Amino acid sequence: DTEVTQTPKHLVMGMTNKKSLKCEQHMGHRAMYWYKQKAKKPPELMFVYSYEKLSINESVPSRFSPECPNSSLLNLHLHALQPEDSALYLCASSQDPGLAGGREQYFGPGTRLTVT
Amino acid sequence: DAKTTQPPSMDCAEGRAANLPCNHSTISGNEYVYWYRQIHSQGPQYIIHGLKNNETNEMASLIITEDRKSSTLILPHATLRDTAVYYCIVKTSYDKVIFGPGTSLSVIP
Repeated sequence: DTEVTQTPKHLVMGMTNKKSLKCEQHMGHRAMYWYKQKAKKPPELMFVYSYEKLSINESVPSRFSPECPNSSLLNLHLHALQPEDSALYLCASSQDPGLAGGREQYFGPGTRLTVT
Repeated sequence: DAKTTQPPSMDCAEGRAANLPCNHSTISGNEYVYWYRQIHSQGPQYIIHGLKNNETNEMASLIITEDRKSSTLILPHATLRDTAVYYCIVKTSYDKVIFGPGTSLSVIP
Protein backbone atom coordinates (compact mmCIF):
# COMPACT_ATOMS: atom_id res chain seq x y z
CA ASP A 1 0.00 0.00 0.00
CA THR A 2 1.70 3.20 -1.19
CA GLU A 3 -1.24 5.47 -0.54
CA VAL A 4 -1.40 8.73 1.33
CA THR A 5 -4.96 9.83 1.99
CA GLN A 6 -6.15 13.35 2.69
CA THR A 7 -9.48 14.63 3.92
CA PRO A 8 -11.45 16.58 3.03
CA LYS A 9 -10.93 16.84 -0.73
CA HIS A 10 -12.43 20.32 -0.80
CA LEU A 11 -12.93 22.85 1.98
CA VAL A 12 -14.52 26.29 1.95
CA MET A 13 -14.11 28.33 5.11
CA GLY A 14 -14.65 31.85 6.28
CA MET A 15 -11.88 33.97 7.73
CA THR A 16 -13.19 33.50 11.27
CA ASN A 17 -13.60 29.72 11.06
CA LYS A 18 -11.44 27.02 12.58
CA LYS A 19 -10.96 23.89 10.52
CA SER A 20 -8.49 21.02 10.23
CA LEU A 21 -6.98 19.09 7.37
CA LYS A 22 -6.14 15.44 7.90
CA CYS A 23 -3.51 13.21 6.34
CA GLU A 24 -2.94 9.49 6.88
CA GLN A 25 -0.42 6.91 5.70
CA HIS A 26 0.08 3.25 6.60
CA MET A 27 3.43 2.61 4.95
CA GLY A 28 5.41 2.81 8.18
CA HIS A 29 6.99 6.07 7.07
CA ARG A 30 8.50 8.18 9.82
CA ALA A 31 8.69 11.52 8.00
CA MET A 32 5.60 13.49 7.01
CA TYR A 33 5.26 16.81 5.23
CA TRP A 34 2.82 19.62 4.48
CA TYR A 35 3.11 21.58 1.25
CA LYS A 36 1.13 24.50 -0.11
CA GLN A 37 0.57 24.92 -3.84
CA LYS A 38 -0.91 27.99 -5.48
CA ALA A 39 -2.34 27.77 -8.97
CA LYS A 40 0.26 27.29 -11.72
CA LYS A 41 3.11 27.28 -9.17
CA PRO A 42 5.22 24.42 -7.81
CA PRO A 43 4.52 23.05 -4.33
CA GLU A 44 6.17 24.91 -1.44
CA LEU A 45 7.26 23.14 1.72
CA MET A 46 5.54 24.27 4.92
CA PHE A 47 6.38 21.75 7.66
CA VAL A 48 8.34 18.54 8.15
CA TYR A 49 7.76 16.02 10.92
CA SER A 50 10.44 13.43 11.61
CA TYR A 51 9.62 10.68 14.13
CA GLU A 52 6.52 12.64 15.16
CA LYS A 53 8.56 15.72 16.04
CA LEU A 54 8.46 18.97 14.11
CA SER A 55 11.85 19.30 12.43
CA ILE A 56 11.26 22.03 9.85
CA ASN A 57 8.92 25.03 9.90
CA GLU A 58 9.43 27.15 6.80
CA SER A 59 8.46 30.38 8.57
CA VAL A 60 4.79 29.60 8.16
CA PRO A 61 2.33 32.05 9.81
CA SER A 62 0.93 30.89 13.13
CA ARG A 63 -2.60 30.69 11.70
CA PHE A 64 -1.38 27.32 10.37
CA SER A 65 -0.73 24.87 13.19
CA PRO A 66 0.55 21.37 12.41
CA GLU A 67 0.11 18.35 14.64
CA CYS A 68 1.41 14.79 14.42
CA PRO A 69 -0.58 12.67 16.90
CA ASN A 70 1.15 9.44 15.85
CA SER A 71 3.38 8.06 13.13
CA SER A 72 0.47 7.52 10.72
CA LEU A 73 -1.43 10.77 11.13
CA LEU A 74 -0.71 14.38 10.33
CA ASN A 75 -3.10 17.26 10.88
CA LEU A 76 -3.02 20.89 9.83
CA HIS A 77 -5.17 23.14 12.00
CA LEU A 78 -6.39 26.32 10.36
CA HIS A 79 -7.58 29.46 12.13
CA ALA A 80 -8.24 33.02 11.02
CA LEU A 81 -7.04 32.40 7.49
CA GLN A 82 -6.90 35.02 4.78
CA PRO A 83 -8.23 34.75 1.22
CA GLU A 84 -4.64 34.54 -0.06
CA ASP A 85 -4.29 31.27 1.85
CA SER A 86 -6.58 29.64 -0.69
CA ALA A 87 -4.53 26.90 -2.31
CA LEU A 88 -4.06 23.16 -2.71
CA TYR A 89 -2.59 21.70 0.49
CA LEU A 90 -0.57 18.57 -0.07
CA CYS A 91 0.60 16.00 2.42
CA ALA A 92 3.51 13.64 1.78
CA SER A 93 5.42 10.94 3.62
CA SER A 94 8.78 9.21 3.26
CA GLN A 95 10.76 6.42 4.90
CA ASP A 96 13.04 6.58 7.87
CA PRO A 97 15.28 9.61 7.31
CA GLY A 98 18.24 7.59 8.49
CA LEU A 99 18.18 5.27 5.48
CA ALA A 100 20.85 5.73 2.86
CA GLY A 101 19.98 5.70 -0.82
CA GLY A 102 17.66 8.63 -0.79
CA ARG A 103 14.10 8.84 0.39
CA GLU A 104 11.39 9.44 -2.16
CA GLN A 105 8.22 11.12 -1.02
CA TYR A 106 4.72 9.84 -1.57
CA PHE A 107 2.08 12.52 -1.95
CA GLY A 108 -1.61 12.55 -1.22
CA PRO A 109 -4.16 14.02 -3.63
CA GLY A 110 -4.40 17.25 -1.68
CA THR A 111 -7.14 19.35 -0.11
CA ARG A 112 -8.41 22.25 -2.21
CA LEU A 113 -8.96 25.08 0.29
CA THR A 114 -10.95 28.20 -0.46
CA VAL A 115 -11.04 31.01 2.11
CA THR A 116 -13.91 33.44 1.70
CA ASP B 1 16.25 28.07 -4.56
CA ALA B 2 16.01 25.10 -6.91
CA LYS B 3 19.40 23.82 -8.06
CA THR B 4 18.20 22.68 -11.45
CA THR B 5 17.28 24.19 -14.82
CA GLN B 6 14.61 22.67 -17.04
CA PRO B 7 12.89 23.85 -20.22
CA PRO B 8 9.49 25.32 -19.36
CA SER B 9 7.58 23.20 -21.86
CA MET B 10 7.94 20.35 -24.34
CA ASP B 11 5.73 18.45 -26.76
CA CYS B 12 5.96 14.78 -27.59
CA ALA B 13 4.00 12.65 -30.05
CA GLU B 14 2.03 9.82 -28.55
CA GLY B 15 3.94 6.53 -28.74
CA ARG B 16 7.30 8.20 -29.13
CA ALA B 17 9.97 8.49 -26.46
CA ALA B 18 9.84 11.65 -24.36
CA ASN B 19 13.29 12.90 -23.37
CA LEU B 20 13.19 15.52 -20.63
CA PRO B 21 16.50 17.27 -19.90
CA CYS B 22 17.68 18.73 -16.63
CA ASN B 23 20.81 20.75 -15.90
CA HIS B 24 22.35 20.61 -12.43
CA SER B 25 25.85 21.97 -12.95
CA THR B 26 26.47 22.67 -9.24
CA ILE B 27 25.52 19.19 -8.02
CA SER B 28 27.73 17.88 -5.23
CA GLY B 29 28.97 14.34 -4.68
CA ASN B 30 26.34 13.30 -2.15
CA GLU B 31 23.35 14.76 -3.98
CA TYR B 32 20.87 12.58 -5.81
CA VAL B 33 18.81 13.45 -8.87
CA TYR B 34 15.09 12.90 -8.32
CA TRP B 35 12.22 13.16 -10.77
CA TYR B 36 8.60 13.72 -9.84
CA ARG B 37 5.62 14.56 -12.00
CA GLN B 38 2.31 16.22 -11.29
CA ILE B 39 -0.72 15.55 -13.38
CA HIS B 40 -3.20 18.41 -13.33
CA SER B 41 -4.87 18.88 -9.93
CA GLN B 42 -3.29 15.75 -8.44
CA GLY B 43 -0.48 15.33 -5.92
CA PRO B 44 3.07 14.95 -7.26
CA GLN B 45 4.14 11.40 -8.08
CA TYR B 46 7.63 10.04 -7.53
CA ILE B 47 9.13 8.63 -10.76
CA ILE B 48 12.77 7.71 -10.26
CA HIS B 49 16.02 8.80 -8.67
CA GLY B 50 19.74 8.13 -9.09
CA LEU B 51 23.16 9.10 -7.82
CA LYS B 52 25.58 8.49 -10.70
CA ASN B 53 24.54 5.30 -12.47
CA ASN B 54 21.74 5.15 -14.98
CA GLU B 55 18.53 3.83 -13.51
CA THR B 56 15.43 2.20 -14.96
CA ASN B 57 12.11 1.23 -13.47
CA GLU B 58 8.67 0.41 -14.79
CA MET B 59 7.89 4.06 -15.39
CA ALA B 60 11.02 5.58 -16.86
CA SER B 61 14.77 5.61 -17.34
CA LEU B 62 17.17 8.13 -15.87
CA ILE B 63 20.40 8.87 -17.71
CA ILE B 64 22.99 10.85 -15.75
CA THR B 65 26.05 12.21 -17.57
CA GLU B 66 29.46 11.08 -16.39
CA ASP B 67 30.26 14.49 -14.89
CA ARG B 68 26.78 14.46 -13.26
CA LYS B 69 26.08 18.00 -14.40
CA SER B 70 23.00 17.03 -16.35
CA SER B 71 20.50 14.24 -16.69
CA THR B 72 17.65 13.09 -18.93
CA LEU B 73 14.41 11.44 -17.95
CA ILE B 74 13.16 9.11 -20.65
CA LEU B 75 9.56 7.97 -20.95
CA PRO B 76 10.01 5.24 -23.56
CA HIS B 77 6.51 5.23 -25.11
CA ALA B 78 4.65 8.36 -24.11
CA THR B 79 0.88 8.18 -23.74
CA LEU B 80 -1.69 10.93 -23.28
CA ARG B 81 -1.72 10.09 -19.56
CA ASP B 82 1.92 11.20 -19.34
CA THR B 83 0.88 14.81 -19.94
CA ALA B 84 2.03 16.51 -16.73
CA VAL B 85 4.54 18.88 -15.16
CA TYR B 86 7.84 17.08 -14.59
CA TYR B 87 10.11 18.24 -11.79
CA CYS B 88 13.84 17.51 -11.60
CA ILE B 89 15.18 17.90 -8.05
CA VAL B 90 18.72 17.62 -6.70
CA LYS B 91 19.14 16.84 -3.00
CA THR B 92 20.96 14.76 -0.46
CA SER B 93 19.18 12.00 1.44
CA TYR B 94 18.42 14.43 4.25
CA ASP B 95 17.64 17.63 2.36
CA LYS B 96 14.14 18.94 1.98
CA VAL B 97 12.56 18.77 -1.46
CA ILE B 98 12.55 22.11 -3.27
CA PHE B 99 10.43 22.15 -6.41
CA GLY B 100 11.45 24.40 -9.29
CA PRO B 101 9.06 25.44 -12.08
CA GLY B 102 9.50 22.08 -13.88
CA THR B 103 8.78 21.15 -17.51
CA SER B 104 5.21 21.02 -18.74
CA LEU B 105 5.08 18.01 -21.06
CA SER B 106 2.24 17.78 -23.54
CA VAL B 107 1.77 14.43 -25.25
CA ILE B 108 0.03 15.00 -28.57
CA PRO B 109 -2.15 12.39 -30.30
